[in-house]
Amino acid sequence: DIQMTQSPSSLSASVGDRVTITCRASQAIRNDLGWYQQKPGKAPKRLIYAASSLQIEAPSRFSGSGSGTEFTLTISSLQPEDFATYYCLQHNTFPYTFGQGTKLEIK
Amino acid sequence: EVQLVESGGGLVQPGGSLRLSCVASGFTFSSYTMGWVRHIPGKGLEWVSCIIKGSNSIYYADSVKGRFTISRDNVKNSLYLQMNSLRDDDTAVYYCVRDQWLAYWGQGTLVAVSS
Repeated sequence: DIQMTQSPSSLSASVGDRVTITCRASQAIRNDLGWYQQKPGKAPKRLIYAASSLQIEAPSRFSGSGSGTEFTLTISSLQPEDFATYYCLQHNTFPYTFGQGTKLEIK
Repeated sequence: EVQLVESGGGLVQPGGSLRLSCVASGFTFSSYTMGWVRHIPGKGLEWVSCIIKGSNSIYYADSVKGRFTISRDNVKNSLYLQMNSLRDDDTAVYYCVRDQWLAYWGQGTLVAVSS
């Protein structure tokens, strides 16, 4: 199975900060990666697909990059509604696998 | 508007069975791969299973293989997950998801396995 190593596991930041979350795949997955945001008690929402394409409803402050084994999610200027848990997902090979998650908290 | 509505969750004893359902609307159900993902309390997301459109090829996570069975009814626009031999570590919120890129999610249904 492909392992997705996501870092950091938690992050404290302030409104207006720029933050970056990283996912590393144990083998190359082309750009078959998505990023998801989950708030407590809610279903996850997809923010990024194909590693760098912004979901139509997602704010433009979110961006994704990478290919192969290294991927990043960047939030350019944190807003209060961005404090949540973020997950990467590889959908290159079954079984699909998620990263462990990054909990983004208010500093 | 794409809608996925899960049902069938509840409290079950270890070793028991449960069948989850997901009714889809707002898109042509038969044209899409469908699947299940779970969120284990205090932990992260785990992909569970999917059924590929057309070919109906099926895939499972190792943790549920041999115990869970995914199926679909394209006439009823419905996806199912038959869960047998349930264990404590199957306790989770189960989400129905559309397509192999998990673009759309239902609101989830809670499965609690406990004696």
